[in-house]
Amino acid sequence: DTAVSQTPKYLVTQMGNDKSIKCEQNLGHDTMYWYKQDSKKFLKIMFSYNNKELIINETVPNRFSPKSPDKAHLNLHINSLELGDSAVYFCASSQVLGASGELFFGEGSRLTVL
Amino acid sequence: SQQGEEDPQALSIQEGENATMNCSYKTSINNLQWYRQNSGRGLVHLILIRSNEREKHSGRLRVTLDTSKKSSSLLITASRAADTASYFCAPQNNAGNMLTFGGGTRLMVKP
Repeated sequence: DTAVSQTPKYLVTQMGNDKSIKCEQNLGHDTMYWYKQDSKKFLKIMFSYNNKELIINETVPNRFSPKSPDKAHLNLHINSLELGDSAVYFCASSQVLGASGELFFGEGSRLTVL
Repeated sequence: SQQGEEDPQALSIQEGENATMNCSYKTSINNLQWYRQNSGRGLVHLILIRSNEREKHSGRLRVTLDTSKKSSSLLITASRAADTASYFCAPQNNAGNMLTFGGGTRLMVKP
């Protein structure tokens, strides 16, 4: 069984469109995250959710909105896509927020904006 | 939050050799974690070392931590082609900040 799964794996879309990436974890973890990996492989934290509450929101444009229907899901919705949004987006989860929270990552969703 | 900076950016070695990767960070930490990322895949946790530990082993992995120099190193002994991947460090401070990552070290192990 896949611990953290995200869909779709690949997404190609036009500028200006709205798209969503879904994430589910079956580990029973309390905290979920979204990361963006750019072409230089830097991973930037975008959001974290703990018990359905947004804990941190880095300087991410408000075109990006995380939605968590329950503890096991954290979806990422992106409005008005721009070229610079092209990247690989990773969902992750951890048992607890902070402390020694080992992260479990999904396989990534590669978004290409044309 | 703070991120670690890995060095070197890229490393190429022959199978059987040892690989050493370094990580530097800026502020005091609670622990430091190392992750591996195979091409096209997500990150996988390798090892965690706490701020009161100086060295930790896990199989062919050896991690050291020098809090006075704010640095850590990851040593992979007797490398294999399957070790080819990018390796990231992630320092975590006492406030339990979200883990952030640098650009990683891209390791290539040639058979």
